[in-house]
Parts: sequence; structure tokens; C-alpha cells
Amino acid sequence: EAGVVQSPRYKIIEKKQPVAFWCNPISGHNTLYWYLQNLGQGPELLIRYENEEAVDDSQLPKDRFSAERLKGVDSTLKIQPAELGDSAVYLCASSRGTTLDTQYFGPGTRLTVL
Amino acid sequence: DAKTTQPPSMDCAEGRAANLPCNHSTISGNEYVYWYRQIHSQGPQYIIHGLKNNETNEMASLIITEDRKSSTLILPHATLRDTAVYYCIEQSGAGSYQLTFGKGTKLSVIP
Repeated sequence: EAGVVQSPRYKIIEKKQPVAFWCNPISGHNTLYWYLQNLGQGPELLIRYENEEAVDDSQLPKDRFSAERLKGVDSTLKIQPAELGDSAVYLCASSRGTTLDTQYFGPGTRLTVL
Repeated sequence: DAKTTQPPSMDCAEGRAANLPCNHSTISGNEYVYWYRQIHSQGPQYIIHGLKNNETNEMASLIITEDRKSSTLILPHATLRDTAVYYCIEQSGAGSYQLTFGKGTKLSVIP
């Protein structure tokens, strides 16, 4: 079974530039999550999707962050414009969708904003 | 904020059992204890979870105290590949999908 795929693995941009991250969840997983992980900290949830619907985006900074999950499969997380403080690892995870189901994480995208 | 407390770091000799403690003194009756680990430059990986009873799988054992205020993750024969940050997480059984990670315990397995 293929795992959660994320791309790119690394991205370096200058501040004020836009950036996008892509995630392909495990086949058949209805729930998709985006997490932010700062250096030395645990991951923090940004947004959760149930199929194509964003059901929890309370932690997503909506002034500059946006996300979509068209057709309920792949998802894209965008930042526009990026700020220095956005430098972090962005993790995508998926699960089958039941409440206590295991979340499977991708390797993450490490973003550096200069 | 995370509701669990873990030591920031631990060392373990290769081949020995690694015992990672976690305090969750405010855990409620329907909250499970989950353990994930994160190897350097990878995403977190599920290890095991439990509610009241001790649990064992191919990766580890989970020992939960009778009052459920603490637990211990046991890696029976630690290898160098077990070096990682280990996260202990409370997850509510009442419709909660969210994993609230703390800073975890950095386990270093030493040759």
C-alpha cells in the first residue's frame, strides 16, 4: 500500500512570494489533514477535510493561507504571501475517516522563507 | 495545548528495553492514550493506543496504570532505528479527530 505522498520535499522562497504544497493521501482515505510543525515542536493541526469539505479550519490563518481538496482526493495548501515566520515543515496526513482511526503521515515539505 | 507530560529526552542502550513514561493526570473516561513517533526528517508514525487495558503489538507494549493517570510505552529490544521523538497523546473517543501533539520525548538509542 502506497503511503501519503507530498511534494515538494523542500522549498526555498523569498518573503512575499506565493508557495503551494501538494498532498496525495492513501487510496480510500476520506479524511485528510494538514499540519504545521515548527522546529522542536510537535505538529499542529491547520485544517481537516472530510472528502472535499473542510470541516475544521479553525487554526488556519485565513488571511494568507488557503487549502482545497477538489474531488475529495488530492489536496493543495497555499500561502500567499509567505512571511519569514512561515518557515516550518508542512505535514499532510490521512485516515479512513472513523473517529479513532490511525492517521498516516507523509514525509512533509520543509519550507524556508528568506 | 497538549495535556500530557513527558520527559524531554532519554537514552537507552541498544538491545535493552526502552521504557518511555507519560503522565496524563487529567484524562477523562472516554479518552484514549495514543503513541506516535517521529524519526528525523519523516512524518509521525503510529505505534499503539489503549483505553484501560495493557496493549501489545509488533512494535511495542503499552502499560496503563489502573487509575489511568499515567502510562509507559515499552520498546522491548531497542535498536538504533528506534531513535526518534516519541509523542504521547490523549484522544477523545467522543468524536474527536484531532491529535494534539506536545514536544514528546527524544529517545536516543546508543550502540
